Amino acid sequence: RKEVEQDPGPFNVPEGATVAFNCTYSNSASQSFFWYRQDCRKEPKLLMSVYSSGNEDGRFTAQLNRASQYISLLIRDSKLSDSATYLCVDYGGGATNKLIFGTGTLLAVQP
Amino acid sequence: NAGVMQNPRHLVRRRGQEARLRCSPMKGHSHVYWYRQLPEEGLKFMVYLQKENIIDESGMPKERFSAEFPKEGPSILRIQQVVRGDSAAYFCASSPPGRLSYNEQFFGPGTRLTVL
Repeated sequence: RKEVEQDPGPFNVPEGATVAFNCTYSNSASQSFFWYRQDCRKEPKLLMSVYSSGNEDGRFTAQLNRASQYISLLIRDSKLSDSATYLCVDYGGGATNKLIFGTGTLLAVQP
Repeated sequence: NAGVMQNPRHLVRRRGQEARLRCSPMKGHSHVYWYRQLPEEGLKFMVYLQKENIIDESGMPKERFSAEFPKEGPSILRIQQVVRGDSAAYFCASSPPGRLSYNEQFFGPGTRLTVL
């Protein structure tokens, strides 16, 4: 089983749509999670952190369900500029400090 | 404040040659990480370094790959005797010192290695 699993997509949605991405993780001891965004042939950039209480930043909402080991990202009112690959990330923490990435979900927002 | 810098941005090598990838962290950052992204795959952690120390190299292939972060100068990822399977994008990230909580890792633009 992969450490972080995501639906690869692609998700093709019209502008203005609401889209949700899901992610599961295997390490029940993991403490911190993030969503990164990666544009085609670019470096990943931090989009937002994920907390059990939920985290909202403008049109973006992230949620963590520890019991189900499940993470979600909701994007409301999609814009063309939201087209990218969204990476679910488990922060290994501890002595290693490494990030464990899912393979990403590709979003294509259509005009 | 310049971001994480990597060079070269593109590198072409023939099988059996050596590849040297360089990474200069953001100013004030003393932690460097290398990740590899194979075509159609996610980023995979390779190694975590601090100045003159390898902290975690659990993601490094056992042979042909090495990394260093000297007291002066950039971090270097070295791949000896490259093979076609080494073709990938190699991303470097850096973070500031401090271990009390997660310190955001800022990524460089990557080096795209192509092995012919």
